[in-house]
Amino acid sequence: EVQLVESGGGLVQPGGSLRLSCAASGFSFSDYSMNWVRQAPGKGLEWVSYISSRSTTIEYAESVKGRFTISRDNAKNSLDLQMNSLRDEDTAVYYCAREGEVDYWGQGTLVTVSS
Amino acid sequence: QLVLTQSPSASASLGASVKLTCTLSSGHSSYAIAWHQQQSEKGPRYLMKLNSDGSHSKGDGIPDRFSGSSSGAERYLTISSLQSEDEADYYCQTWGTGVVFGGGTKLTVL
Repeated sequence: EVQLVESGGGLVQPGGSLRLSCAASGFSFSDYSMNWVRQAPGKGLEWVSYISSRSTTIEYAESVKGRFTISRDNAKNSLDLQMNSLRDEDTAVYYCAREGEVDYWGQGTLVTVSS
Repeated sequence: QLVLTQSPSASASLGASVKLTCTLSSGHSSYAIAWHQQQSEKGPRYLMKLNSDGSHSKGDGIPDRFSGSSSGAERYLTISSLQSEDEADYYCQTWGTGVVFGGGTKLTVL
């Protein structure tokens, strides 16, 4: 069974940093690209970042470019998102999701940016 | 620019059928998409991948009541024999340089 389990969310002040992690199991992690997707309260889904299976291609939404960094460790079946210079508008549930067609989702982790 | 357009809302009666539409922006009519369902207070759930020729492959455990079809730049999700648990937000999504989501359609089951 494919499982994606996010962790690392919480309350952080504007300008602060947070690191999210996603633990993958039930599939050959190193064969798949991964994404981070977020959803602000009451809003739709917003793609955040993409990383290819071997980390050769990395892409970011314009709204997070220069502030967020995606990475993965295929030996540990894990995906990370380092979030710096956080803003109020980064408040959202963050999901890790498999592949371009997003065929599996994690349960999400809530990030709240507030003073 | 790759954009997906969805109607904000739709409604249909219990037991009836409904067809939701997702429109790909000009020049992108050959793109495959995926459909996702998000019930209230839950995370998204993958429903299916839908190709430009209308062929589709569904996710684990998705009932036969859910089907997809395509026509030009339009991608459709049809839900038949509507049940109360089908009331949800439905998002279409595609991928190329990054991932793109439509704005979502809120389906109300009357």
